[in-house]
Order: sequence, then structure tokens, then C-alpha cells
Amino acid sequence: QVRLVQSGAEVKKPGASVKVSCKASGYTFTNFGFSWVRQAPGQGLEWMGWISAYNGNINYAQKLQGRVTMSTDTSTNTAYMELRSLRYDDTAVYYCARDASVGPPHFSGFHIWGQGTMVTVSS
Amino acid sequence: DIVMTQSPDSLALSLGERATINCKSSQSVLYSSNNKNYLAWYQQKPGQPPKMLIYWASTRESGVPDRFSGSGSGTDFTLTISSLQAEDVAVYYCQQYYSAPQSFGQGTKLEIK
Repeated sequence: QVRLVQSGAEVKKPGASVKVSCKASGYTFTNFGFSWVRQAPGQGLEWMGWISAYNGNINYAQKLQGRVTMSTDTSTNTAYMELRSLRYDDTAVYYCARDASVGPPHFSGFHIWGQGTMVTVSS
Repeated sequence: DIVMTQSPDSLALSLGERATINCKSSQSVLYSSNNKNYLAWYQQKPGQPPKMLIYWASTRESGVPDRFSGSGSGTDFTLTISSLQAEDVAVYYCQQYYSAPQSFGQGTKLEIK
């Protein structure tokens, strides 16, 4: 069946970087893209950005521009999200979600989600 | 950017009652070329990722019980649970995927009275 399996929990110091992976299975990887969504403890959902696994097109949330990099590896069917210069308020569960392969107006909502990766920023 | 606003923030109802959650977008999410509303609803239980319930504003995701329904168009949308069950206790989010940045409502916490 269609699955997204994310890497394990991370603890990082302020100023460090973290790279979360999201391995896809059960479908043709390049027919879709990925959005990344984060959720701070007790808070709502925040969209971080989108990457197409088809053509590599990317769209980042403005507040994360310059600190986030999203990528895909079609040889391993894996998507990645790297966040740099970590701050305490980056502590959150990070989710990958399957999205459309091309941008608007072709977005289609998030039918499949990864299990989430807890990233804790602590000194 | 499109801002999504849900109401109420929380809701406590008795088992079997009807639950109604509203979602308003700051601009229309109806795409005129295909007449589709780019609006989804998700359910999130503690310790779990969100689960899609409804997409295109009113299409139920496969496997979702038919007591869940979505309605609305343009800027105003509603998620209705026709008869509340104990397993429906969760936080519910609306999301627009009309344009980037995609955005979510702040969430509505649904509890049993």
C-alpha cells in the first residue's frame, strides 16, 4: 500500500541543522510531489513548502526562505527537508505529505502523510 | 496569502448530536476553470498525523464514515458530523490548496460533553 516513512526523532542545539527524510513506497514516485508541514507542541499545522518529485520545482513558505531546503532522490524514492540555523521555536513534529507533481492549480490536498518526526531544539 | 479562519475554536457535544464546524477563507478558493473548491478537511487525534476526511470541499475520502460531510463554496465552508461518536473526539482542520502558500485554519477541538 502507499506509505511514507520518516526518519527518527532528532535533538539539536540552537544554530545547528537537521535533515529529515521521507521514504515513499507503493506508488510511482515521480508522479507526485511532497509538502512539508510542521506542528509545534500543542499548536496547529504550518505549511513549510512543496517540492515536485517530477521536475524538482519548489515553493517555500516565505518565513522559512533562506533556512530551508527541500530535495528528492528518485533513485531511493526519498524526499528530504533540511532546516538550518535552528532556533528554539523550530521545536516541532515535522510531517511529509504526498502532494501534486505540479504546482497550482494542480494541488490536490494531502491524502497520504508520514508518521511525523519530532525535532527538539535544546541547549 | 490566503488566511483560513475556523469557528468555533472548541466544541463540546453529547453523543449522537450533530457537530458543525465552519471555515472561512480570506479570498475565494473556487477555481473557475474547473468549478472546484480547493478546500480539504482533516481530523487529527493525539499523537497521530492528520487524516484527510474531505477534499474538493465535499468529496469524502475513501473509508471515511458517511456521517462526515462537507459543504460550501467560494469563501465559506462547513464540516458536519451528523451523529457524534466517541471516536470523533479530535482536532479538525480546514486547508486551502488553491494557491501557495497553502494554509490551514487554526483548528477546532471537538469533545464529548
